[in-house]
Amino acid sequence: QVHLQESGPGRVRPSETLSLKCLVSGYGVSASSYYWAWVRQPPGKGLEWIGSIYYSENSEDSGSTYYSPSLKSRMSISVDASKNQFSMKLTSVTAADTAVYFCARGGTGGMDAWGQGTTVIVSS
Amino acid sequence: DIVMTQSPDSLAVSLGERATINCKSSQSVLFSSFNKNYIAWYQQKPGQPPKLLIYWASTREPGVPDRFTGSGSGTDFTLTINNLQPEDVTVYYCQQYYDTPYTFGQGTRLEI
Repeated sequence: QVHLQESGPGRVRPSETLSLKCLVSGYGVSASSYYWAWVRQPPGKGLEWIGSIYYSENSEDSGSTYYSPSLKSRMSISVDASKNQFSMKLTSVTAADTAVYFCARGGTGGMDAWGQGTTVIVSS
Repeated sequence: DIVMTQSPDSLAVSLGERATINCKSSQSVLFSSFNKNYIAWYQQKPGQPPKLLIYWASTREPGVPDRFTGSGSGTDFTLTINNLQPEDVTVYYCQQYYDTPYTFGQGTRLEI
């Protein structure tokens, strides 16, 4: 059974870079058929898909990334297949980036596996 | 971006009754090659991640009770919860994964 676990700093200062990792167990991040995504949820608000990466050792489009247009200039997502994890970085954070950040596995059948989420507070 | 609009924002329900949540996409999410609507429904309880209930608009995720039913095609979709149980009273989201960004609806909160 696939399991995802986010890790990150908890608190980030305004204008700095937020870095989060998602450790995956029970399924290889480099296996085909799935993409790996980040979703966030500001306090008391709804879900926001922020980006995803498709990574497969056997695919020509491996490493393809997709980002929310509103975050594209500040976001990056990468995979470390050797550690079976994927990561995100969000630069120049502001208070508006305060949220619970979830990592998830997605495919043609929706996003079927999620981490528990990690709370990120942007504050000086 | 495809805009997803759920209605209502909140819904007063009674246990044992039926709840109906609507979701409308700003453009068709029908993947014609596979004849599948790329719509998913999620349930989220406080302090927990979303849980996938329905994908392809009407296919129930394994382990999801059959009182949860998804329907619709093109741009209009519905999640129906029959025989409402206490554990069903929470927040539900639709999502399109037809085209990036894979946008969510704003959520519908069920209330007793």
